[in-house]
Amino acid sequence: GDSVTQMEGPVTLSEEAFLTINCTYTATGYPSLFWYVQYPGEGLQLLLKATKADDKGSNKGFEATYRKETTSFHLEKGSVQVSDSAVYFCALSDKNTNAGKSTFGDGTTLTVKP
Amino acid sequence: EPEVTQTPSHQVTQMGQEVILRCVPISNHLYFYWYRQILGQKVEFLVSFYNNEISEKSEIFDDQFSVERPDGSNFTLKIRSTKLEDSAMYFCASREWTSGRDNEQFFGPGTRLTVL
Repeated sequence: GDSVTQMEGPVTLSEEAFLTINCTYTATGYPSLFWYVQYPGEGLQLLLKATKADDKGSNKGFEATYRKETTSFHLEKGSVQVSDSAVYFCALSDKNTNAGKSTFGDGTTLTVKP
Repeated sequence: EPEVTQTPSHQVTQMGQEVILRCVPISNHLYFYWYRQILGQKVEFLVSFYNNEISEKSEIFDDQFSVERPDGSNFTLKIRSTKLEDSAMYFCASREWTSGRDNEQFFGPGTRLTVL
């Protein structure tokens, strides 16, 4: 079945540091890929998405590129802020099934210190 | 901007009691989902629902769980006899019907279920 593997956390960075959170996936079909962010005590917010190979999703300074050859969708940000502290989830959704459920990674907790 | 809503935001119940979690999906969406997140863990798929029937369910979604779309707007998750391990955040999601296009799901804010 489908699966998503995220780099283990937690990740602690200083403000303005460069962020990379690795994500690789396994899917039988041809999935869409997503990054969600969850702030403490809140629900899931879609951060960015990509629907086909070589697509780059971007939002709020975060970027991720759909790499079919390496089955990866790594999240990057050039300069993190304290307000970026949250849990980040990589997820996929298989376009080839009517159900279209999402499969999530374990989540990576990011803490940004001033 | 349209959004998925869920009620209540927090539900506390005694073990063995029935609970119903409610969701109002985005109005033109046709696929509906329930996910659960045990505290500190990953988000897990429970069930998907389309055209008034379950289209897929996970191993977690056993006979204690049921879903229903009782009217044109609500989508409910019922747990018949709650167990301590049902304590989790439950997320509802919905998406439009698509034909090979991206499958973005829109998530609600979640209902935190606490079973005592």
